[in-house]
Amino acid sequence: AQSVAQPEDQVNVAEGNPLTVKCTYSVSGNPYLFWYVQYPNRGLQFLLKYITGDNLVKGSYGFEAEFNKSQTSFHLKKPSALVSDSALYFCAVRDGTGGFKTIFGAGTRLFVKA
Amino acid sequence: DTGVSQDPRHKITKRGQNVTFRCDPISEHNRLYWYRQTLGQGPEFLTYFQNEAQLEKSRLLSDRFSAERPKGSFSTLEIQRTEQGDSAMYLCASSRGSGPGEKLFFGSGTQLSVL
Repeated sequence: AQSVAQPEDQVNVAEGNPLTVKCTYSVSGNPYLFWYVQYPNRGLQFLLKYITGDNLVKGSYGFEAEFNKSQTSFHLKKPSALVSDSALYFCAVRDGTGGFKTIFGAGTRLFVKA
Repeated sequence: DTGVSQDPRHKITKRGQNVTFRCDPISEHNRLYWYRQTLGQGPEFLTYFQNEAQLEKSRLLSDRFSAERPKGSFSTLEIQRTEQGDSAMYLCASSRGSGPGEKLFFGSGTQLSVL
């Protein structure tokens, strides 16, 4: 069975500083990994995904994520945080062995202080 | 692309009543998903459809919950004999059906409050 863990309920960072939001996963087969963001009073939006290939994937709004197979991690990163990045971030995984169920982590609230 | 539409946005009901929610996916998407989200938690998978076929249903879903997608377009989620523990945001998502790496497009959700 697939699962996702986001060990931090909240991440606080100053504007202009780099940010990292952590995610670890467990799947039976090859993982398909995703990050989604939820802004207040808005639906979940796709940020980026890893399927195969380069371990560093780039997505929307300057975000990127690094896939590490040995550590089963997929951490979300951004070189310079903006106040407008403050939101709820969800890591998600889909098991590549079949089926299309996507499992989400509990979420990490990112707070960027001006 | 008009996005995923959910109706109603909010539903308040009394314990024991039945409720039904509707989801209209993006028109060319053949996969449709239902999730439930409670405060402070991530979306919890309930079920998904490929066209009109319901391919997977969470074991967490009691028999009070049923979902349909009769013509492979819109979907309904019904909760019978609602309980206070059913209070949550019910999210619908759709996808093209292009493969396991495809992204989900979410609606704004239906917030259910059971009194």
